[in-house]
Amino acid sequence: EVLLVESGGGLVQPGGSLRLSCEASGFIFSHYSMNWVRQAPGRGLEWVSYMTSDLATIYYADSVRGRFTISRDNARGSVYLQMNSLRDEDTAVYYCVRGVQWGFDNWGQGTLVTVSS
Amino acid sequence: QSALTQPASVSGSPGQPITISCAGTSSDVGAYNFVSWYQVHPGKVPKLMIYEVSNRPSGISSRFSGFKSGNTASLTISGLQAEDEADYYCSSFRSSGTLVFGGGTRLTVL
Repeated sequence: EVLLVESGGGLVQPGGSLRLSCEASGFIFSHYSMNWVRQAPGRGLEWVSYMTSDLATIYYADSVRGRFTISRDNARGSVYLQMNSLRDEDTAVYYCVRGVQWGFDNWGQGTLVTVSS
Repeated sequence: QSALTQPASVSGSPGQPITISCAGTSSDVGAYNFVSWYQVHPGKVPKLMIYEVSNRPSGISSRFSGFKSGNTASLTISGLQAEDEADYYCSSFRSSGTLVFGGGTRLTVL
């Protein structure tokens, strides 16, 4: 069974930082691209970032480019999202998502990030 | 990044078919066959229903089908069932090296 478990969410002040982690199991992690997708309260889905299995290609949404950094450790089966200069509009549930040809076939349960003073 | 355009809501009666449209541009839906559809029940995690325009993942009912013509993709659900009531989102890879979702469509089964 594919499992993706996020952690690291919480309450942070505007301008602050958080690091999200996602631990994967049940599949060969090093064979898959990984993504972060978020959903703000009462809003739709928003793709955040993507990294290929070989770490060679990284993409970011315009809304987070320059502030967020995706990384992964294939040996640990984990993917991370370092979030800096956080804004109110970054408040959302953040999902760790496995990608297959830009289709997202397995999602974690999500971790809530709240940016508020 | 502007989102793909979906109707805010659609509805249908049990047993009837419905179609949800997803309008993009020549830089996303029209340029790539990386269109996917997701079903989201309230409080639940999104579920992949269609990938690469028209492919169904294992375990997804054949009542769900996808199609693309030009810059517009569509999801059709044949033989609506009560459990199909949910939010549906389309997504597409975009030439800028990003992925974009639609704004979502609320499906109501009457």
